[in-house]
Amino acid sequence: GAVVSQHPSWVICKSGTSVKIECRSLDFQATTMFWYRQFPKQSLMLMATSNEGSKATYEQGVEKDKFLINHASLTLSTLTVTSAHPEDSSFYICSARVAGGPLPTDTQYFGPGTRLTVL
Amino acid sequence: AQKITQTQPGMFVQEKEAVTLDCTYDTSDQSYGLFWYKQPSSGEMIFLIYQGSYDEQNATEGRYSLNFQKARKSANLVISASQLGDSAMYFCAMREGGSNYKLTFGKGTLLTVNP
Repeated sequence: GAVVSQHPSWVICKSGTSVKIECRSLDFQATTMFWYRQFPKQSLMLMATSNEGSKATYEQGVEKDKFLINHASLTLSTLTVTSAHPEDSSFYICSARVAGGPLPTDTQYFGPGTRLTVL
Repeated sequence: AQKITQTQPGMFVQEKEAVTLDCTYDTSDQSYGLFWYKQPSSGEMIFLIYQGSYDEQNATEGRYSLNFQKARKSANLVISASQLGDSAMYFCAMREGGSNYKLTFGKGTLLTVNP
């Protein structure tokens, strides 16, 4: 159990275009989803916390108008990188926190990540 | 100040031997959680083990155990009987009380298991 999927797994786009990344919890309901970015050989940096049905909470320094997050249901959150530029190239990973049931509610389960390259 | 410190950028271990990956943390909260994740070269973050601050016993999950020393604020990961497939990046993370379950990650330790 506790499987999180992400789509696409990789994407290459031209500068100025927008890219949408989907994060789904497949076998559990996720009260909260998180979006991270990770640069090569670095740790994960939290971008925003997304609660179902409410606005996302962004970390300091993250542009909310550039990284649009929508958490429409307990199993789906989307991150849209608007007007992407080469400096937005990174590995984006989502995670989901379990809402209830037999799985530990304190644990975040991660998706496989999306590698974004902006030309 | 860093909240999670992993002092070992890289570690090497022989196959079938045990290895300890260090993690110290800094928090003033009484309620918090500590996690270890494994990140192979594919990039996926794999949950390994969890320790709650009120848990009196060290957590264990198969070959993984967490050596939790609360007074020293350390939460070291012990991997027994290392396997080649254990070669990966390992991250220690902390969830502080009242943080909406946000995780703070350490910089990671790259473990290489030699045959």
